[in-house]
Amino acid sequence: SQELEQSPQSLIVQEGKNLTINCTSSKTLYGLYWYKQKYGEGLIFLMMLQKGGEEKSHEKITAKLDEKKQQSSLHITASQPSHAGIYLCGADKQGGSEKLVFGKGTKLTVNP
Amino acid sequence: EAGVTQFPSHSVIEKGQTVTLRCDPISGHDNLYWYRRVMGKEIKFLLHFVKESKQDESGMPNNRFLAERTGGTYSTLKVQPAELEDSGVYFCASSQLRQWDEQFFGPGTRLTVL
Repeated sequence: SQELEQSPQSLIVQEGKNLTINCTSSKTLYGLYWYKQKYGEGLIFLMMLQKGGEEKSHEKITAKLDEKKQQSSLHITASQPSHAGIYLCGADKQGGSEKLVFGKGTKLTVNP
Repeated sequence: EAGVTQFPSHSVIEKGQTVTLRCDPISGHDNLYWYRRVMGKEIKFLLHFVKESKQDESGMPNNRFLAERTGGTYSTLKVQPAELEDSGVYFCASSQLRQWDEQFFGPGTRLTVL
């Protein structure tokens, strides 16, 4: 069974639009990581959330972790073609930043 | 600073052959991880080294997979003999020996077994 559910699986938006990607777990998460991957490249770290209710922002990307630490959202404001790629949520389910479990990813396309 | 590097970037082999993947972590990173993504599925953990010791190898599929990290620097992952279901992208990641440190990922090795 999949441990992290990501939605949507794919997303096509027009440049300038806002969008949200969700990551849900049935169990409490000790650390929630967001990564971005472009084809042929490694995963690029975006943000890590630890505390319930925590919110972090970097440029136009904001990530939140709910109070129960079972759901996270990634919000992109005024999307640009450079935001295109596959967004992956990964979670440390044991505590300690060791093995991560990942969602299947959300493929984002931003049309100019 | 150089990131995590992996070699080769692509490998195409026939079933039954042997393949060795290499990962060079970021200098000074004691933690080294191997992950694999099979087509259509999520990225899955294979194993974790702390320096030269295997901390957790619970994700290794079977005994056809052998990972080493001699001297606590680079790591190799050998698949012998390779099977069709071993095809996928193998990622390596490294992090410093501190809790909650981010894992830096390499570009991956795309393995195709025919």
